[in-house]
Amino acid sequence: NAGVTQTPKFRILKIGQSMTLQCTQDMNHNYMYWYRQDPGMGLKLIYYSVGAGITDKGEVPNGYNVSRSTTEDFPLRLELAAPSQTSVYFCASSYTAKTGGIDYGYTFGSGTRLTVV
Amino acid sequence: TQLLEQSPQFLSIQEGENLTVYCNSSSVFSSLQWYRQEPGEGPVLLVTVVTGGEVKKLKRLTFQFGDARKDSSLHITAAQPGDTGLYLCAGDLAGGTSYGKLTFGQGTILTVHP
Repeated sequence: NAGVTQTPKFRILKIGQSMTLQCTQDMNHNYMYWYRQDPGMGLKLIYYSVGAGITDKGEVPNGYNVSRSTTEDFPLRLELAAPSQTSVYFCASSYTAKTGGIDYGYTFGSGTRLTVV
Repeated sequence: TQLLEQSPQFLSIQEGENLTVYCNSSSVFSSLQWYRQEPGEGPVLLVTVVTGGEVKKLKRLTFQFGDARKDSSLHITAAQPGDTGLYLCAGDLAGGTSYGKLTFGQGTILTVHP
């Protein structure tokens, strides 16, 4: 059972370049999220999705875009990379509701460390 | 301004000592979760608390949710080097439909020396 898989693990981008961070989950979770983690700042929500075809902005969406064409995949697109987007990016998924006997919580991927130079 | 304030930000202790990490807010949460993260990995869920005043125990870890559901604490008894890591609290704001969106504290870096 792979859980949440993120690729690539590391990437260096030049200012102005674009890239897509891939995220896929095999747990049939409806809810998926993208967070960025900066030192001393915890995790900030970029975008989230409650199901295929439905996405919405989080706290820090500027400079990013997402799509959700299938339940499994939730890629994050960076257009015109800027140094401020240097961060560690985490994708996560979760159940839609708190169900008896199951701790409602996120399953995280192992992250993508992105450096923009 | 952080919606969830964690303290302390750094904790360095000797093996066998006890410690408590706090997570405070002025907002009410439907649930509060604690995660542990190791370098190069994503956070891993430790526990979810959903009822005001709830106490949950996980071996040497004790988690408490405040009566008003605005704060939580994590207490570790007889810490071991294997407890070293970043501890994150995260809350699901009460009221409305949050779609499971979590607000995270800034984290507590715990180092347990042998």
